[in-house]
Amino acid sequence: NAGVTQTPKFQVLKTGQSMTLQCAQDMNHEYMSWYRQDPGMGLRLIHYSVGAGITDQGEVPNGYNVSRSTTEDFPLRLLSAAPSQTSVYFCASTLGGATDTQYFGPGTRLTVL
Amino acid sequence: AQSVTQLDSHVSVSEGTPVLLRCNYSSSYSPSLFWYVQHPNKGLQLLLKYTSAATLVKGINGFEAEFKKSETSFHLTKPSAHMSDAAEYFCVVRREFTGYSSASKIIFGSGTRLSIRP
Repeated sequence: NAGVTQTPKFQVLKTGQSMTLQCAQDMNHEYMSWYRQDPGMGLRLIHYSVGAGITDQGEVPNGYNVSRSTTEDFPLRLLSAAPSQTSVYFCASTLGGATDTQYFGPGTRLTVL
Repeated sequence: AQSVTQLDSHVSVSEGTPVLLRCNYSSSYSPSLFWYVQHPNKGLQLLLKYTSAATLVKGINGFEAEFKKSETSFHLTKPSAHMSDAAEYFCVVRREFTGYSSASKIIFGSGTRLSIRP
């Protein structure tokens, strides 16, 4: 299994540009999540999905969109990038409920100029 | 409501000495608690988790944590630090996903950076 994969690893955008961060998992996990990691703030949940076709907002959803058309893929879209979205983004998946381990991707480091 | 507080942003110990990383939580429900480790420029890896079974949980690389309900704590310990333990550590509290509820969250602590002195 490849586990959780994320692309790209690094990205530089100009303010106002759009892009999609890709996330895929091959473990047949129902739950997938996107986090952003900023210094001194741990990881904050952006959006999550409890299965194909079902998504919901996390703690910091503004400026981001998600969709879940398949179990495997959970892309994160930035429609109009802002410098405040400079961060490291992690995708994670888990099989089921609260006691299950989350598996994290390697992260995408995004810089918005 | 849930929250998690890591009491130290940075801990520095000498190689071969004990490690203590402190975590306090609050949760209206019986929580699941996790410790994750993140080495520089890497993703997060699970160290151990508490899921209401044994209160003393053993993890990978010699780490363990004890769930103390009376103190609402889940501190991470290791008897003898190794240079390879230098990393950032995150304490996480989690409850069951409940579909569209905004309370269905995983809460990360702000992290503790562990440095090991030779």
